[in-house]
Amino acid sequence: AAGVIQSPRHLIKEKRETATLKCYPIPRHDTVYWYQQGPGQDPQFLISFYEKMQSDKGSIPDRFSAQQFSDYHSELNMSSLELGDSALYFCASSSPRGNSPLHFGNGTRLTVT
Amino acid sequence: AQSVTQPDIHITVSEGASLELRCNYSYGATPYLFWYVQSPGQGLQLLLKYFSGDTLVQGIKGFEAEFKRSQSSFNLRKPSVHWSDAAEYFCAVGPSLGGTASKLTFGTGTRLQVTL
Repeated sequence: AAGVIQSPRHLIKEKRETATLKCYPIPRHDTVYWYQQGPGQDPQFLISFYEKMQSDKGSIPDRFSAQQFSDYHSELNMSSLELGDSALYFCASSSPRGNSPLHFGNGTRLTVT
Repeated sequence: AQSVTQPDIHITVSEGASLELRCNYSYGATPYLFWYVQSPGQGLQLLLKYFSGDTLVQGIKGFEAEFKRSQSSFNLRKPSVHWSDAAEYFCAVGPSLGGTASKLTFGTGTRLQVTL
């Protein structure tokens, strides 16, 4: 079965640079979520989109922005990167059906040097 | 605000032994409850979920969990652990509003080590 695809798997950036993470949800899933997981931490909700509109916002820094496109894929844009942004970034998607759980991708590991 | 507590940071069990991972939640309404497993450097895989109905839910890989409203608990169990079960386990709670598990709140995880 198709899963959530995230790219790239690994990304190394320097401080103050920008990064773009991409997420391709499971086909026919209309909702996308972004989570950040720091080393040894639990995943923290950043932001979500439903039908291309932002549906909820968590602890996402102002330096980050995200959007969902017409094909339902999503991109997380991160600017002015800081060392503390180094983390595993997960995307998850869910279907329009009720009681739909989140299905996670394998994540993008971002390292800021 | 919703919250999840996993009191055990690290658990070690012998292969073949039974396992119970504890999870307590705090939520104002009927919660959606989940268990996810994460292998090192990997994504989160859904083990099982509870929305309503039978309080004992079966998941993949031989795992089960029991929802106990009176104790605000959703403990994960497995009768016989395999070495491949070594991983990090996360309990999560999500709002039931709208029937979609949006914006999960995770516990801090329990790292399971399996000895041979």
